[in-house]
Amino acid sequence: DVKVTQSSRYLVKRTGEKVFLECVQDMDHENMFWYRQDPGLGLRLIYFSYDVKMKEKGDIPEGYSVSREKKERFSLILESASTNQTSMYLCASSLITYRGLETQYFGPGTRLLVL
Amino acid sequence: TQLLEQSPQFLSIQEGENLTVYCNSSSVFSSLQWYRQEPGEGPVLLVTVVTGGEVKKLKRLTFQFGDARKDSSLHITAAQPGDTGLYLCAGGDQGAQKLVFGQGTRLTINP
Repeated sequence: DVKVTQSSRYLVKRTGEKVFLECVQDMDHENMFWYRQDPGLGLRLIYFSYDVKMKEKGDIPEGYSVSREKKERFSLILESASTNQTSMYLCASSLITYRGLETQYFGPGTRLLVL
Repeated sequence: TQLLEQSPQFLSIQEGENLTVYCNSSSVFSSLQWYRQEPGEGPVLLVTVVTGGEVKKLKRLTFQFGDARKDSSLHITAAQPGDTGLYLCAGGDQGAQKLVFGQGTRLTINP
């Protein structure tokens, strides 16, 4: 059974703190993605990675960075958390796709509250 | 920039009724996926459509890809409380590794 796990389901941080969100997949997928989900805005792509140490900016990368040192692990970093980064964060993985045909497998999400 | 607009954003109906959710764009997509997300979980793929005019059925759910591959619809027959959730459409483009997601339709089926 395919699995994407995220390090925390709920997280409460203070403004200015450095925050690490970790994601691990056990499917040997090349692609990994970080999204944030806000009501009425759907899923917005923050960053994605198509290989170890490779990354590309998504639609809303400002205030975030990522790290992929191993194929199975993709980390999202909030260098200095702000209240407008309070959101649900979803990690996903997929095989390399040529027409958008590959399934994205999602983790359960991390609900982050920044006070 | 490719965008997908879903309508309606919210839908609350009684068990047994039929409903249709729409996913529209001004851009052409190579493929269109539909996901369902239940509370506390990540989205899960329901179906992928790739050919203009394609229709796929999944029990009481019928998915259609528009002839011009710019739009899609999801029709549910005789809705049940278990159909409750957030439905997301996502467009794929040839050569691109990422998907473009619509903003979602939150569906509530009341017993």
